[in-house]
Amino acid sequence: EVQLVESGGGLVQPGGSLRLSCEASGFSFSTNWMHWVRQVPGKGLVWVSCINPVGSIISYADSVKGRFTISRDNAKNTLYLQMNSLRDDDTAVYYCAPADHDWGQGILVTVSS
Amino acid sequence: QSALTQPASVSGSPGQSITISCTGTSSDIGTYIYVSWYQQHPGKAPRLILYNVSIRPSGVSNRFSGSKSGNTASLTVSGLQAEDEADYYCCSYTTSSTVVFGGGTKLTVL
Repeated sequence: EVQLVESGGGLVQPGGSLRLSCEASGFSFSTNWMHWVRQVPGKGLVWVSCINPVGSIISYADSVKGRFTISRDNAKNTLYLQMNSLRDDDTAVYYCAPADHDWGQGILVTVSS
Repeated sequence: QSALTQPASVSGSPGQSITISCTGTSSDIGTYIYVSWYQQHPGKAPRLILYNVSIRPSGVSNRFSGSKSGNTASLTVSGLQAEDEADYYCCSYTTSSTVVFGGGTKLTVL
């Protein structure tokens, strides 16, 4: 059974930073592309970033480019998202999303003063 | 990258079939087989129901099927059941090495 446990979310002031983590089990993490997807409650899904299995191919949505950094540690089966210079419109539930598998439950990030 | 286009809502009666379209461009759906569909019930995380256009993950009902023609992908739900009432999202890989989602479709079972 695929299990993804996200952590690191919470309340942060505009301009602040957070680091999300996603610990994976139940599938071959080291051979899967991994994504972060976010969703403002009541709104649609928005892709944020992805990374290939060895970390050599990385892409970002224009809205987070230069502020967010995706990374992974295959030895720890863990995906990360370093979020800097956070803005109000980054407020959302962030999902850890392996390609072709179910997602985690998501973690809420709230950017507010 | 513009979002894929889905109808805002569709509806059908129990037992009927419905189809949700997902229209993109030659830069996404038109080029790749990497089209996925997700089902999301209120307050829940999205659930993968199709990937690579038409492949069902283990445990997903065979009432869900997918296809693609040109720049448009489609999700068909046959034998509608009350539990199918949910939001459905399509997504595709793009030629910019990014991913794009559709705006979502609310399926109502009458």
